[in-house]
Amino acid sequence: NAGVTQTPKFRILKIGQSMTLQCTQDMNHNYMYWYRQDPGMGLKLIYYSVGAGITDKGEVPNGYNVSRSTTEDFPLRLELAAPSQTSVYFCASTGQIYNSPLHFGNGTRLTVT
Amino acid sequence: GQSLEQPSEVTAVEGAIVQINCTYQTSGFYGLSWYQQHDGGAPTFLSYNALDGLEETGRFSSFLSRSDSYGYLLLQELQMKDSASYFCAVGGGNKLTFGTGTQLKVEL
Repeated sequence: NAGVTQTPKFRILKIGQSMTLQCTQDMNHNYMYWYRQDPGMGLKLIYYSVGAGITDKGEVPNGYNVSRSTTEDFPLRLELAAPSQTSVYFCASTGQIYNSPLHFGNGTRLTVT
Repeated sequence: GQSLEQPSEVTAVEGAIVQINCTYQTSGFYGLSWYQQHDGGAPTFLSYNALDGLEETGRFSSFLSRSDSYGYLLLQELQMKDSASYFCAVGGGNKLTFGTGTQLKVEL
């Protein structure tokens, strides 16, 4: 099993550009999450989904959008990129929220200049 | 809302025992988790406590006191490869909230 796969691994954007960070999992997990991690900091929740067709805002949703049309895929859209969105983005999934680990992708390192 | 506090940095020598504390404030609490993250890597799951007490997994143990909103991760027989950041996380409302992390430095 591939687990959680994120693409791209690295990306440099100019201010005002848009992009989509891809995330797919092959474990049939209902719960999927997007976190961002700034240097030396913890993980902040951007958006999450408890199943196909259902999404909800996390702690820092401004400037981002998500969709969950299938169980496997949970893309994160950045519109009008800003330098404050320079970060490492992690996608994660789990089969149940109780007593079950989050499986993380390897991350996308995004720089906005 | 949910908030967690843990020390920013801990230093210990190889072979020693180290304890990383975590205090939390949360609503709808259903468990305390610990994750390890090496530089440049993704977080990986270490342990989970839903009930009070100690859970042991090899060299790592985790403790939870729900009445005190407190937990800790205990690492024994420290090895150089244990140098990493350790995050506590609380579950509630279909999501997991992470602390800011403790950077553990293991020295010879």
